[in-house]
Amino acid sequence: NAGVMQNPRHLVRRRGQEARLRCSPMKGHSHVYWYRQLPEEGLKFMVYLQKENIIDESGMPKERFSAEFPKEGPSILRIQQVVRGDSAAYFCASVLRGLSNTGELFFGEGSRLTVL
Amino acid sequence: QKEVEQDPGPLSVPEGAIVSLNCTYSNSAFQYFMWYRQYSRKGPELLMYTYSSGNKEDGRFTAQVDKSSKYISLFIRDSQPSDSATYLCAMSGGSYIPTFGRGTSLIVHP
Repeated sequence: NAGVMQNPRHLVRRRGQEARLRCSPMKGHSHVYWYRQLPEEGLKFMVYLQKENIIDESGMPKERFSAEFPKEGPSILRIQQVVRGDSAAYFCASVLRGLSNTGELFFGEGSRLTVL
Repeated sequence: QKEVEQDPGPLSVPEGAIVSLNCTYSNSAFQYFMWYRQYSRKGPELLMYTYSSGNKEDGRFTAQVDKSSKYISLFIRDSQPSDSATYLCAMSGGSYIPTFGRGTSLIVHP
């Protein structure tokens, strides 16, 4: 059973370009979280989605960032007009059942975005 | 004040030592407490979770939660070089969104 798959693993963009990060959850998992990790800050929550629905996006910057989890296909985190401050590792995690507090998040290997 | 405080380290110990990792928190709504391990350039993996106060043991790992002090700990017995990693505490409450500490870097040297 494949784990959470994220791609690309590494992405380099110039300032002003768009970055699209993809996440395929574990088989049977219907909810995903996106977190951003910076060396000095640890993992910061961005958005929590189920298929075709955003449950909580309180951690998403108000501009340039968007996320979706369509009925078919992977979840996508989209960053428009990237700036150097967007350089970070972006992790996706999936859960078997939604709205569970058991902490059983299964993380992918992350996508490392570098903005030149 | 951050919701979850965790000393980033690094914490360097000799092989075989008992390691103590700790987090403090401020949100009294937190009920679920987790410890994740993250190797360099990898995603975090869940080690243990506990609900409310108390102890939980799994092999060489013991998690403790003291809700009255808003303090959680992870103990690693007989530490091994393969335990060298970053350990992240995380906790959640009614929002179902785990809040993570910044992680403690552990180095176990032979």
